[in-house]
Amino acid sequence: DAGVIQSPRHEVTEMGQEVTLRCKPISGHNSLFWYRQTMMRGLELLIYFNNNVPIDDSGMPEDRFSAKMPNASFSTLKIQPSEPRDSAVYFCASTETGYGYTFGSGTRLTVV
Amino acid sequence: SQQGEEDPQALSIQEGENATMNCSYKTSINNLQWYRQNSGRGLVHLILIRSNEREKHSGRLRVTLDTSKKSSSLLITASRAADTASYFCASLYGGATNKLIFGTGTLLAVQP
Repeated sequence: DAGVIQSPRHEVTEMGQEVTLRCKPISGHNSLFWYRQTMMRGLELLIYFNNNVPIDDSGMPEDRFSAKMPNASFSTLKIQPSEPRDSAVYFCASTETGYGYTFGSGTRLTVV
Repeated sequence: SQQGEEDPQALSIQEGENATMNCSYKTSINNLQWYRQNSGRGLVHLILIRSNEREKHSGRLRVTLDTSKKSSSLLITASRAADTASYFCASLYGGATNKLIFGTGTLLAVQP
């Protein structure tokens, strides 16, 4: 298995633009998570899905953030409009219940 | 915030020495996990210890869990320069949600 695949690896965008981050979880994993990592706040859980259904989105910072999981093999995290304070590394992770998480390599987002 | 605390924030040791990192968490957990993150990379799952376990080993790693003190420790024996990385504990909270909350991390530097 190629692991959790995230794209793009790097994204530089101007303030106000829409940004879409993508994630392909490991086949057979039933849960998917989106995290954000910054120096100031560490690793923050934004949202997670069980069997493609959003379970807890309490970590989503604002209405500008949205996430979808249309099927078991794909998820997106969208920021619209983006702001400089959204600059961070965004990680996607997947797991089977009761096991450790497998993380993707992350998307480094820079909003200028 | 439910985020756990790790201690120390940074640790520098010589190759061959043992490294001990501590973690505290805030509420009852299903399990506690340790992850490693090399600079600029995603997180890698190292070991998982369930709430009814007190100690677990995996290769050069030894993890303990004290639920009465809400704390855990990670011991890396006979450290190598390649162990240089950030190490995070993560608590899996149960109940209505099932989310993994990460600590603040320990930056370990192993000097050759």
